Order: sequence, then C-alpha cells, then structure tokens
Amino acid sequence: GAVVSQHPSRVICKSGTSVKIECRSLDFQATTMFWYRQFPKQSLMLMATSNEGSKATYEQGVEKDKFLINHASLTLSTLTVTSAHPEDSSFYICSARAFTGGSTDTQYFGPGTRLTVL
Amino acid sequence: RKEVEQDPGPFNVPEGATVAFNCTYSNSASQSFFWYRQDCRKEPKLLMSVYSSGNEDGRFTAQLNRASQYISLLIRDSKLSDSATYLCAVTRNQAGTALIFGKGTTLSVSS
Repeated sequence: GAVVSQHPSRVICKSGTSVKIECRSLDFQATTMFWYRQFPKQSLMLMATSNEGSKATYEQGVEKDKFLINHASLTLSTLTVTSAHPEDSSFYICSARAFTGGSTDTQYFGPGTRLTVL
Repeated sequence: RKEVEQDPGPFNVPEGATVAFNCTYSNSASQSFFWYRQDCRKEPKLLMSVYSSGNEDGRFTAQLNRASQYISLLIRDSKLSDSATYLCAVTRNQAGTALIFGKGTTLSVSS
C-alpha cells in the first residue's frame, strides 16, 4: 500500500513555541491531505482539509491562525502549531488521499506526531 | 447527535469467540464507509471498506445498512492479536472527502 510519513514522530516543547509537523506521501501524489488530532481515549477529530496549491479548509472550532497549514507540493503538507500551550498536547495524524479515479479513494495515514507542550 | 457513534465497549471476549460491533452515522449523504483498526498510540490502519452488498475478508465481515444508517463489523474466531480499538469511519458526503470517525470500540481478547 501507499506510504505516508510524518516528522517528527515525537516532540516536546515549551509553552509559547511553535512546532512544525511534516506529512509526506512517499510513493504517490496527494492532491488532498487531511489533518486530525486525537486526545487520549478520544476519537480522531478532523482539523482541516489541505489541498495542494490552495488554502486549507478548517473545521468549525479550529483556529486557522493557530494551526497553520501549507500544502506547497503534491507530496508535502505541513502543520504548524503556533504559540503552543499545554492544551495543544495531543496526537496529530495526517492522511493523504491516493486518487485512483474510483469512487472510494483510499486514505493512507501517517504514523502520527505526539506533541507534548510543557 | 454526533456524526458517527459507536459503543466504546470494552468488549472482553475469550479466544475463539465471535464478536460484533455496530456503528451509526447521521448524514444520509455519506457515500463511503470503512472500518479501521487502531493499536495503542499508533495510527489507524484500514481494516476493510464496507459495501451495501456486504463484504468478507477472512474472519472479518462488514455490512452496511443505508436505510437504518448503520454499519457493522463481525469478527469470527477471535485471536489474541485482534485486541485493539476498532474505528468506523464515514465520508462526510461525496467519496474522497475527509473521514469522520467514531470514538472507537475497544476489543480485548483473552486466552
């Protein structure tokens, strides 16, 4: 199957700093990538949809100025958590849509980034 | 009403048991449906897509009931390695859009 990587896998930072997370599709081009967040014992919550070459679409309640998304190429999307606070500590997961021309295009998930803000 | 709802469990079953999970969704416009498996502190892995005609993959059988807006997953002959959280996911509307996940159902298989 298609491979999606995320970097870093784990990050610990001080409150107030910004953290950038990269999501790459390694063996396919992804016009659309998605960013999710998962708190302990909770489900994956969609944060935003990232389309290559255009502005991301954010879910209701997700601050676009705090969670900056850039999808500059067909294989890379980045999520920057600006001025991180302890409540931003979570598991951030991206997924990339592999377009096959069918009606059930598969999404492949990256391994996730565990962010801890002290 | 939440977009996707699941019984969180946990389901504690012995090896060899048959266990079934249900999931309901609220948006009748949803087009694509999936079951994912998520192990502790890992990303979700696609288990199987779900079709109206039902589909089977080894010990796993998935069903979709569009009229009642629910999907199900049946696991036969449970193995210890089946212990995980099972997430159902639906596309919000047309296929290819973002997946909306349920909270997941935790399965624990014991010997």
